[in-house]
Amino acid sequence: LAKTTQPISMDSYEGQEVNITCSHNNIATNDYITWYQQFPSQGPRFIIQGYKTKVTNEVASLFIPADRKSSTLSLPRVSLSDTAVYYCLVGDVVNTGFQKLVFGTGTRLLVSP
Amino acid sequence: DGGITQSPKYLFRKEGQNVTLSCEQNLNHDAMYWYRQDPGQGLRLIYYSQIVNDFQKGDIAEGYSVSREKKESFPLTVTSAQKNPTAFYLCASSTRRGTGELFFGEGSRLTVL
Repeated sequence: LAKTTQPISMDSYEGQEVNITCSHNNIATNDYITWYQQFPSQGPRFIIQGYKTKVTNEVASLFIPADRKSSTLSLPRVSLSDTAVYYCLVGDVVNTGFQKLVFGTGTRLLVSP
Repeated sequence: DGGITQSPKYLFRKEGQNVTLSCEQNLNHDAMYWYRQDPGQGLRLIYYSQIVNDFQKGDIAEGYSVSREKKESFPLTVTSAQKNPTAFYLCASSTRRGTGELFFGEGSRLTVL
């Protein structure tokens, strides 16, 4: 299983762009990279998923370099409501399903006024 | 709206008692999962089921039991054999394989008195 490493915590201010980087040096060929957001006392919520290059949706962008050994979640112009824990997960969801995905401790993002 | 419903949201139990947490989904997903989350920690997989009438142990199945008699339902019983049951329990569902996301419920917080 691909192990991921991400910062324990990050601080930012409203209106800034936040980039959270996740390291996954032993990512396998069939692995996808997925990011989730979790607020206190709630279930995680899917943010974005990618395999290579760049993926963008209405809330975030995911940058994946050619070697795929890391990925960066980019949150544009954060607000106080973006204060949450962000999880980076790597796994072969296409062939083995979702049960192999590992939720580590994530990155605790604190957005201040 | 489609989604996952967990109940109860809060539950108190005396030591030595079994308790069952409910999880229902109307997303027509084949796969369902139970996770446990302790304060400041990530999610740990308890049990998962990829199809009706079949389920598999996750990483921390001891002291827990599940059933999957219907596609929509995946109840979790926390038995008296679980040594430290106080935690936040999360249910999720997904397609069996493929890209995409795990859909989570709002969670059930169990406190053993």
